[in-house]
Amino acid sequence: GENVEQHPSTLSVQEGDSAVIKCTYSDSASNYFPWYKQELGKRPQLIIDIRSNVGEKKDQRIAVTLNKTAKHFSLHITETQPEDSAVYFCAAKKAPGSARQLTFGSGTQLTVLP
Amino acid sequence: GAVVSQHPSWVICKSGTSVKIECRSLDFQATTMFWYRQFPKQSLMLMATSNEGSKATYEQGVEKDKFLINHASLTLSTLTVTSAHPEDSSFYICSASLTGAGYEQYFGPGTRLTVT
Repeated sequence: GENVEQHPSTLSVQEGDSAVIKCTYSDSASNYFPWYKQELGKRPQLIIDIRSNVGEKKDQRIAVTLNKTAKHFSLHITETQPEDSAVYFCAAKKAPGSARQLTFGSGTQLTVLP
Repeated sequence: GAVVSQHPSWVICKSGTSVKIECRSLDFQATTMFWYRQFPKQSLMLMATSNEGSKATYEQGVEKDKFLINHASLTLSTLTVTSAHPEDSSFYICSASLTGAGYEQYFGPGTRLTVT
């Protein structure tokens, strides 16, 4: 089955700096890669996603890059703010198909220091 | 976007009792729902895939007789933790995708189970 590895497990940055979180996946058939932000006790919140026919996607301060050849994808957050502090998870899925499951990375605790 | 609800949001039960958690898709039909368990400071681990009108598919290591899943309609799946023990204390989250589309998954708010 699919295996998703995520690094780093913890990341501290100064407010205004950039943060980068990296993930690798094992199954070359995976073609949907979402990123989630989870605050303590809350549900995972989709912040950005990318499909395998695209190499990069940006939404304001958040961007995701995908390298299908190397089977890795990264989340980039620029101009970080204290409210960006949370746990971030990457995931991979063979899509489309509503019966297809997500495989999650282990998570990154991001702390933005004021 | 599509909305998934869970009930209850938190529950405390005594060891040996059973607890039922409901997951509902409020504004869409879901032939498949997923149940995850999340321990503190850990990732979401898929427990089982719930299929409407048929048996659930459990992940390796998940006891199907302990975690009973019923997906009786296109908008409701239930997870029953039977004979709960303290080690079953966790955050349980369900999710679903739009039937036929299947890219984005919509998550419920989660249920915090504490077994005393």
